Amino acid sequence: SQQGEEDPQALSIQEGENATMNCSYKTSINNLQWYRQNSGRGLVHLILIRSNEREKHSGRLRVTLDTSKKSSSLLITASRAADTASYFCAPHGSSNTGKLIFGQGTTLQVKP
Amino acid sequence: DAGVIQSPRHEVTEMGQEVTLRCKPISGHDYLFWYRQTMMRGLELLIYFNNNVPIDDSGMPEDRFSAKMPNASFSTLKIQPSEPRDSAVYFCASSFYGTGGSPLHFGNGTRLTVT
Repeated sequence: SQQGEEDPQALSIQEGENATMNCSYKTSINNLQWYRQNSGRGLVHLILIRSNEREKHSGRLRVTLDTSKKSSSLLITASRAADTASYFCAPHGSSNTGKLIFGQGTTLQVKP
Repeated sequence: DAGVIQSPRHEVTEMGQEVTLRCKPISGHDYLFWYRQTMMRGLELLIYFNNNVPIDDSGMPEDRFSAKMPNASFSTLKIQPSEPRDSAVYFCASSFYGTGGSPLHFGNGTRLTVT
């Protein structure tokens, strides 16, 4: 299955703290993508990391990928209340199709 | 670009009625996806198109559901007849596959309530 599984299911932290979310998957991938969903809105693409990359940064976001362990992590540094959202990982399989399948996500609450 | 546009934003209908959800993808994108999101089942992929052709409809729950993409700028998801268990948020997303990866761009969804 190309579906990723996020862990933990829920995370609650104070503003200013770092938040780490993990993703595991089962098949070989071309890339792995992270998305954010604010309440009542569609998913928004955050970052894409290719299978030959180990780490990628975008602003306060840091994503790592370990293809040997079939896992990825998303780190949000210096969290803000506006980071409160659900976060999803989506492994893009090597079968060369365009579809993405999403897991249940991690719900992050950042308390001001 | 205006992004992926879905209409209506909210739809309330009675059981047995036909429901049509609409989507306008981002111009130039060659993939279009329909997802459904509920608390119980999360985000489910219903069907996706490539260059207006349905590629995989294995996620469509029943024959009551149908989707079309008559041209590159428009798609519909139809439920006939609707049932209360169809209540969910339906998302449309589009992407340009290209060679370097394929981030999806989502619309803001249609919240369907079937009473």
